[in-house]
Amino acid sequence: AQTVTQSQPEMSVQEAETVTLSCTYDTSENNYYLFWYKQPPSRQMILVIRQEAYKQQNATENRFSVNFQKAAKSFSLKISDSQLGDTAMYFCAFMIISGNTPLVFGKGTRLSVIA
Amino acid sequence: KAGVTQTPRYLIKTRGQQVTLSCSPISGHRSVSWYQQTPGQGLQFLFEYFSETQRNKGNFPGRFSGRQFSNSRSEMNVSTLELGDSALYLCASSQGGGARFAGVAYNEQFFGPGTRLTVL
Repeated sequence: AQTVTQSQPEMSVQEAETVTLSCTYDTSENNYYLFWYKQPPSRQMILVIRQEAYKQQNATENRFSVNFQKAAKSFSLKISDSQLGDTAMYFCAFMIISGNTPLVFGKGTRLSVIA
Repeated sequence: KAGVTQTPRYLIKTRGQQVTLSCSPISGHRSVSWYQQTPGQGLQFLFEYFSETQRNKGNFPGRFSGRQFSNSRSEMNVSTLELGDSALYLCASSQGGGARFAGVAYNEQFFGPGTRLTVL
């Protein structure tokens, strides 16, 4: 079975600063996807960034980037130039690449961006 | 395209009652997954439907059931409600397609706003 661990239940960062959220996972699979989802206080879960495990290049989406270390089974999210709107719960998630398998989520990290 | 919609958004029930939640996926999406979110257990997978068939099921008791209609809309039902069923229930849709469609484009999940169920 796959497991996802987020070791930081809560974090805070000053506006315009950079913050890194940690995620580790455990799997015996070789082909999978990794995701970071954001859930603001309004509760709508939205995808922030995704990484295909077969790609060595780290994914980036504007201010969001990941550090994917496949051998270490680590998948951290870096948020640059933090904005107040980044305040949310962030979930790391895993999905086997075969298709019809569910997302496995970590417990989440509550990020607060402070003005 | 309209996003995933869930109704109702809020629901209050008492122990022993049953409840039905509804999810309408993004147009063209054939896979609907349901997740339960609680502060203690986090996000847990309930089940997934594709083309009116349950393809995957999580580790929940039989009181939790679901179905999918020919238009891909899905409902989940919880019978004999317990206090511990209080949670946010999230629905997610994807294009789906099974093992032959393994690309992330087919399997990326888009979430609805959720239904907040409170059991008193």
